[in-house]
Amino acid sequence: DADVTQTPRNRITKTGKRIMLECSQTKGHDRMYWYRQDPGLGLRLIYYSFDVKDINKGEISDGYSVSRQAQAKFSLSLESAIPNQTALYFCATSDRRTGWEKLFFGSGTQLSVL
Amino acid sequence: SQELEQSPQSLIVQEGKNLTINCTSSKTLYGLYWYKQKYGEGLIFLMMLQKGGEEKSHEKITAKLDEKKQQSSLHITASQPSHAGIYLCGADFNDYKLSFGAGTTVTVRA
Repeated sequence: DADVTQTPRNRITKTGKRIMLECSQTKGHDRMYWYRQDPGLGLRLIYYSFDVKDINKGEISDGYSVSRQAQAKFSLSLESAIPNQTALYFCATSDRRTGWEKLFFGSGTQLSVL
Repeated sequence: SQELEQSPQSLIVQEGKNLTINCTSSKTLYGLYWYKQKYGEGLIFLMMLQKGGEEKSHEKITAKLDEKKQQSSLHITASQPSHAGIYLCGADFNDYKLSFGAGTTVTVRA
């Protein structure tokens, strides 16, 4: 079983719909992140969380919200999806105890907004 | 991230040939991470560099960190089809997260 699991793997939705992407981890890490990947732009950080009560905006948080339901779960919501949110979304985790920022990634969710 | 520039954007290499990818930062680096991604899949950690002048190798992949230039290079020797994919560098700017370059797409031709 994967250590960082993202659901769904693929999703097609329509403009204006609310959608939630979910991430769960069994690594016991305290930090969790949501990134999106667009061709030619690499990975851009949407939100990150250092523990259940600590949520921080990344460089492109507009149009997104997150919820850290438990240490192991971090979900990303698009309240009203728009076509330019079509992208590959990644959840990642890291362990503060190592003192490093080494990230462990899920397999990604390909989201298409029509 | 605009602070992190990767070059080239893409490259095609003949199987058995060497290749080099560069990652240059406009800010002070506290750590530099290399990841590999197969098309449409997640990122796999390759190597982490923390000190200027540090060099690490794993199988046929070598990464170096030049502290003066704030630059890292990833070198693959005698490339194989398994080396094809997207290579991304991630920078630790001492702000508790990683900022990524745009990635380099590597194609290996038989």
